[in-house]
Amino acid sequence: AQTVTQSQPEMSVQEAETVTLSCTYDTSESDYYLFWYKQPPSRQMILVIRQEAYKQQNATENRFSVNFQKAAKSFSLKISDSQLGDAAMYFCAYRSAGGANSKLTFGKGITLSVRP
Amino acid sequence: KAGVTQTPRYLIKTRGQQVTLSCSPISGHRSVSWYQQTPGQGLQFLFEYFSETQRNKGNFPGRFSGRQFSNSRSEMNVSTLELGDSALYLCASSSGQITDTQYFGPGTRLTVL
Repeated sequence: AQTVTQSQPEMSVQEAETVTLSCTYDTSESDYYLFWYKQPPSRQMILVIRQEAYKQQNATENRFSVNFQKAAKSFSLKISDSQLGDAAMYFCAYRSAGGANSKLTFGKGITLSVRP
Repeated sequence: KAGVTQTPRYLIKTRGQQVTLSCSPISGHRSVSWYQQTPGQGLQFLFEYFSETQRNKGNFPGRFSGRQFSNSRSEMNVSTLELGDSALYLCASSSGQITDTQYFGPGTRLTVL
């Protein structure tokens, strides 16, 4: 079974600084998708960024970028120029690209606080 | 496009009762997934429906069930509620391909007393 591990339960960053959130996963499959979701205190889960495993290029969305290391099964999220609105819980998630049992598997999440 | 909507947003029930939660996906989306979120267990997959058929199911007891209608709206039902069923229930919709991005609703907060 696939597992997703987010070993840091909490992190803090100064406004305008850069922070990196870590995520590792375990899978025997070669084709899969990885996601970072953000859940602000209002509870609406929002997609931050998505990475296809077959793409070597790291995904980027404005201030958000990932460092995808397929061999190491690592998928970290870098937030540049942190803003107060970035404070939220961040979840890393995995889904295999096929198979009857493909489902979105989440890590435990990391709470990010942003200091003004 | 309107986002995923869930009703009700908050619900209080007592042990032994049953509850039905509703989810309306983004227009055009044919897949709906349900998740249970608790502080202790995190986000756990309940089931996924596509074109009115259950496509996948998580490891939850049979008290948890769901269905999907022809307009893609979905409901989940929990019978014989237990205290441990208190959680935020999230639904997510996607267009239907397994690897499509899922878009989440605001959730239904269920409290079982």
